[in-house]
Amino acid sequence: QVRLQQSGPGLVKPSQTLSLTCAISGDSVSSISAAWAWIRQSPSRGLEWLGRTFYRSKWNSEYASSVKSRITIEPDTSKNRFSLQMNSVTPDDTAVYYCAREFYGSGSPNPHFDYWGQGALVTVSS
Amino acid sequence: SYELTQPPSVSVSPGQTASITCSGDKLGNRYVCWFQQRPAQSPVLVIYEDAKRPSGIPERFSGSNSGNTATLTISGTQAMDEADYYCQVWDSSSAVVFGGGTKLTVL
Repeated sequence: QVRLQQSGPGLVKPSQTLSLTCAISGDSVSSISAAWAWIRQSPSRGLEWLGRTFYRSKWNSEYASSVKSRITIEPDTSKNRFSLQMNSVTPDDTAVYYCAREFYGSGSPNPHFDYWGQGALVTVSS
Repeated sequence: SYELTQPPSVSVSPGQTASITCSGDKLGNRYVCWFQQRPAQSPVLVIYEDAKRPSGIPERFSGSNSGNTATLTISGTQAMDEADYYCQVWDSSSAVVFGGGTKLTVL
């Protein structure tokens, strides 16, 4: 059973950096059958994919165009976890942030998000 | 960018069949996933690759996808099925796209 445990501050000041971590148990951040994603949810934006990191012979990261200039998603293989950093935040970045596993099943033509973290409300306010 | 459209709300009586649609351009050419989200909980995958059910998801949940519309069908709807439902696909650049969500009311 895979478990994703999120951690990080719930309050960030405008213009500062949002940092969240997702600890993985039951799988490896280096798995070649998975990608590790961050998704956020707010009343104004609904569910919004932010990006993913994954290992396929080398480490890769892909980001949504809407946040590409402001975010970094990185693995931490020593602690089997991955992180999200978003800089220059504004109140519009206030949302519940989720980490999730994007699983590439053997023989499956497409991946799917089969495990999600518990979610973390991050409020951007002074 | 690719867009998915869902009705904001659907109502169903207990024991009846609920159908939730998701529309997008040539959606039938893409694989669709569906998520259930109860209040204050994380989304749960209920359908992937258009019609496959993950382990532990009741058989009353089924999916289809053709043309421009994917449909999540819940047969014999129960009170516990009341939740928000989201469809999801990948666009041509592997970015993930979610629909706006449908609130299912069981009354």
